[in-house]
Amino acid sequence: GQSLEQPSEVTAVEGAIVQINCTYQTSGFYGLSWYQQHDGGAPTFLSYNGLDGLEETGRFSSFLSRSDSYGYLLLQELQMKDSASYFCAVGSTLGRLYFGRGTQLTVWP
Amino acid sequence: EADIYQTPRYLVIGTGKKITLECSQTMGHDKMYWYQQDPGMELHLIHYSYGVNSTEKGDLSSESTVSRIRTEHFPLTLESARPSHTSQYLCASSEWENYGYTFGSGTRLTVV
Repeated sequence: GQSLEQPSEVTAVEGAIVQINCTYQTSGFYGLSWYQQHDGGAPTFLSYNGLDGLEETGRFSSFLSRSDSYGYLLLQELQMKDSASYFCAVGSTLGRLYFGRGTQLTVWP
Repeated sequence: EADIYQTPRYLVIGTGKKITLECSQTMGHDKMYWYQQDPGMELHLIHYSYGVNSTEKGDLSSESTVSRIRTEHFPLTLESARPSHTSQYLCASSEWENYGYTFGSGTRLTVV
């Protein structure tokens, strides 16, 4: 089966850096993805790590260590608009994504 | 701008009614998915499709059915709605497996 663990909530102030961790157990692994979802909105794709290491996209970076079954999303120069839920998701042998429960990020002024 | 459209956005119906949630995408993606999401919870896969005339059940197929007659259209039908079906239903499509899903804005369903 598949299981993903991520913190339920994280708070930070504008301009700060925050890291959201994700650990996973999966019978077949085909990459770790991150999605952002604002209240009442659609999840939007942020990043994908298929191989170990760091991927950077603007203020957001994502990291994967397959040997540790661990990844994280790093958000820099936080802005109020970054307040949202962030989901990690792992790809499986069936070509499906399994999602974590999400981390609610609150950014304070 | 959305390339994947879900209707209706909100729906309140009575127990026992049959309903169809619509999902259409304009990106030509072969792969489409239906997820169910309760507030503050993870997304659970209900059904998925890898192309026309291809449909598979996910982890929560729960008295629902799907069809894929056209690439762009992937409707979800609940034959007999129950209060336990109250949830948000999200449709998604992708070009590749395991990567880069595009989600619709969802349908918030309330069964009374």
